[in-house]
Amino acid sequence: GAGVSQSPRYKVAKRGQDVALRCDPISGHVSLFWYQQALGQGPEFLTYFQNEAQLDKSGLPSDRFFAERPEGSVSTLKIQRTQQEDSAVYLCASSSLRGPGNTIYFGEGSWLTVV
Amino acid sequence: SQKIEQNSEALNIQEGKTATLTCNYTNYSPAYLQWYRQDPGRGPVFLLLIRENEKEKRKERLKVTFDTTLKQSLFHITASQPADSATYLCALQTGANNLFFGTGTRLTVIP
Repeated sequence: GAGVSQSPRYKVAKRGQDVALRCDPISGHVSLFWYQQALGQGPEFLTYFQNEAQLDKSGLPSDRFFAERPEGSVSTLKIQRTQQEDSAVYLCASSSLRGPGNTIYFGEGSWLTVV
Repeated sequence: SQKIEQNSEALNIQEGKTATLTCNYTNYSPAYLQWYRQDPGRGPVFLLLIRENEKEKRKERLKVTFDTTLKQSLFHITASQPADSATYLCALQTGANNLFFGTGTRLTVIP
């Protein structure tokens, strides 16, 4: 596609509910990232994939957060038993190259509100 | 601890002037530094990348400097326009691929 596409754009979840956020990266992009952005803050790194391999998940805040990219294209970020502190914008980004120092393209984000 | 600080939360300037935004970092050794623009309700958009061995980079009305001794980057927008109003984020990249972001500076250009 023309850009990184994320769905849903907006999600309201009741506390304790599970949510799944989807990311369609730019076609052919090898690298895929998930970030979490709280209101008024910069994005915080969650996890990184190179093709289907999850190379870094050091930013996932708890074991309730899980991400996958089984075929090296679409990725899903799953949050189990959501809590109010999970309310944030979840940004997906992709890049055509493996290494650092290249342009990273962000989606518009999935806005999660936990009530 | 590691920190990335951007000079102020908000910066107001008059149209036509040069806006200068600052990014300072501690306890990082970035190989690359990037600047992004973020509009309300949108994802960040890449503007410029500068490497650790580069002092300055320009693109149209934008200029970025990178001083690894001072651990600082300056981001300039010359001949600013109201359409430049947005939040600007600096981000560091080390040897790994992921980005570490500052909290951003919200720039308002007053007509």
